[in-house]
Amino acid sequence: DAKTTQPNSMESNEEEPVHLPCNHSTISGTDYIHWYRQLPSQGPEYVIHGLTSNVNNRMASLAIAEDRKSSTLILHRATLRDAAVYYCILSSQGAQKLVFGQGTRLTINP
Amino acid sequence: DAGITQSPRHKVTETGTPVTLRCHQTENHRYMYWYRQDPGHGLRLIHYSYGVKDTDKGEVSDGYSVSRSKTEDFLLTLESATSSQTSVYFCAISEKGLANYGYTFGSGTRLTVV
Repeated sequence: DAKTTQPNSMESNEEEPVHLPCNHSTISGTDYIHWYRQLPSQGPEYVIHGLTSNVNNRMASLAIAEDRKSSTLILHRATLRDAAVYYCILSSQGAQKLVFGQGTRLTINP
Repeated sequence: DAGITQSPRHKVTETGTPVTLRCHQTENHRYMYWYRQDPGHGLRLIHYSYGVKDTDKGEVSDGYSVSRSKTEDFLLTLESATSSQTSVYFCAISEKGLANYGYTFGSGTRLTVV
């Protein structure tokens, strides 16, 4: 599985946008980019995923670089409830399992 | 989470005793997974299933066995629990595998082996 690199931690303020970066320089052409988050004392929660084009859903937006070697998860207006560990994960076509890294611990200040 | 239930939510057991954790889903998803989460290690895959009676090992399968006799249930068994198996265990389900589909995770089982 191709590796991802994320900052260990980030901090932001409530009601401001948050941009969570992920580097994946060894990504292959058929690898999907997934983002999950884990709130305290809960299981991971699916956030968003994409292949090449930018993606939007009710939770977040995913911006994928043109060369696909990096991506950014965008929370448009952070709330205290968005404080969590965010995982950026690559999955190859045909893969049957997710491999989690250490993720980014996001702190939201009131 | 709706559609996936783990039981028990908490369990304390003694070293050397067998323990079975249950994951139950109502989504009729083909794929089911067991992960463990420990401080400093993140989430690690133990075993997964891609259909009834079809299972495969993950990265930390030693000391664990699984069974899936029907679509909705995936059981994780610790044949003889050890203190190193103290962890939080998460079950996950996926409709068609991974690449273009997401996982739904359960709320976890906190297991303490004393």
